[in-house]
This record gives sequence, structure tokens and C-alpha cells, in this order.
Amino acid sequence: DAGVIQSPRHEVTEMGQEVTLRCKPISGHDYLFWYRQTMMRGLELLIYFNNNVPIDDSGMPEDRFSAKMPNASFSTLKIQPSEPRDSAVYFCASSWGLGGGELFFGEGSRLTVL
Amino acid sequence: AQSVTQPDIHITVSEGASLELRCNYSYGATPYLFWYVQSPGQGLQLLLKYFSGDTLVQGIKGFEAEFKRSQSSFNLRKPSVHWSDAAEYFCAVDRAQKLVFGQGTRLTINP
Repeated sequence: DAGVIQSPRHEVTEMGQEVTLRCKPISGHDYLFWYRQTMMRGLELLIYFNNNVPIDDSGMPEDRFSAKMPNASFSTLKIQPSEPRDSAVYFCASSWGLGGGELFFGEGSRLTVL
Repeated sequence: AQSVTQPDIHITVSEGASLELRCNYSYGATPYLFWYVQSPGQGLQLLLKYFSGDTLVQGIKGFEAEFKRSQSSFNLRKPSVHWSDAAEYFCAVDRAQKLVFGQGTRLTINP
């Protein structure tokens, strides 16, 4: 299995631009998570899906952030408009089940907003 | 609220020395506890996990961790570190079926 695949690995954009991050989870996993990692706040859970349905988006910082999972093999995290404080590494992770199931992480998308 | 504390932001040890990374949690019941490792530029990888039963759990790469309920701790240990162990280590607790991570401990290995 190829693991969780994220793209792009690096993104540099200007404030106000739209940013779309993509994730392909491991085949057969029914949960997908989006995390954000910054020096100041560490790893924060933004949103997670079960069977393509958003379950908890309480970690999404504001309306500029949105996430979708149109099918079991693809998810997007969109920021519109982007701001410099959105600069971070965004991780996608997937798992089979909850309640202690191992999360498999992608390599992350490093976003820099100028 | 359930939380995870890793008191040490950065630890440096010599290659071949023993290692202990500290983790404390706050939770009313016995939680599910995890240690993950993040190598530079990589995602997180599970080292080990504790659900119940034997309080000493073995993980990958020669790591082990001990759950101590009386101290609300789940410290990670390794008898002899290798240069390849240099990474960031995260303790995590399952809270309402979501993982909550500590701030991480960065491990540097001196040759």
C-alpha cells in the first residue's frame, strides 16, 4: 500500500489567494482526519470524516476553512482567502475505526502564506 | 478537559545512552494512550499504544512505555539510543474518540 498521499508537499502563496490541499487515504480506511501543526499550537485536529461524512469540524478555525470528502479515496482542505497566520504544516491521516485505532499520517503539506 | 503534557521540549542524549521521555495526562478514566514519532519532514508514525492490561507495553524500534495510573504518566523509554532515533516524539490520548497530542519532545543525539 502506498500510504496516505498528500499534495502538494509545499505551497507558497500570497495573502488572499485560495489554497487547496489534497489527500488520498489508505484504501479501506473509513476515517479521515485533517490536522494542522504549528510551533505555537502544536498538532490541532481540524476536522474528521467517517465514511465520507464530516463528523466533527469543531477544530476548523474559521469560515475561511472548508473540507470535503466527495468519495472514499479523496479529500480536500480549502482555505479561501488565505492569511499569513494560516502558514503551517497540514497533515492528513486515515484509520480503520476509532477508539484507539492507529492513525496513518501522510507526509504533510507545508503551506506558506506571504 | 482531557489533556496531555510533555514537560520536556528538547532533550539531548549521547548515542548508546538510555532515554526516558515524560508524558502526563489528565483524564478521569483509564485512557487510551499513544506515542508517535515524527522524523524531519515526515508524518507521524505510531511507536506503541496502551489500552488496558499489562502496564508495560512494547513498541517498534526497541521502544517501550509504562503506564502508571497513580502518577497519570505514560513515559517512553529506550535502553540504548541510536543516531537514527533523533526525531520529535509525541504523546497522545484518545479523547472522545479523537487523538489529542502533547506539544512534543525533540530528541537530539550526540555522537
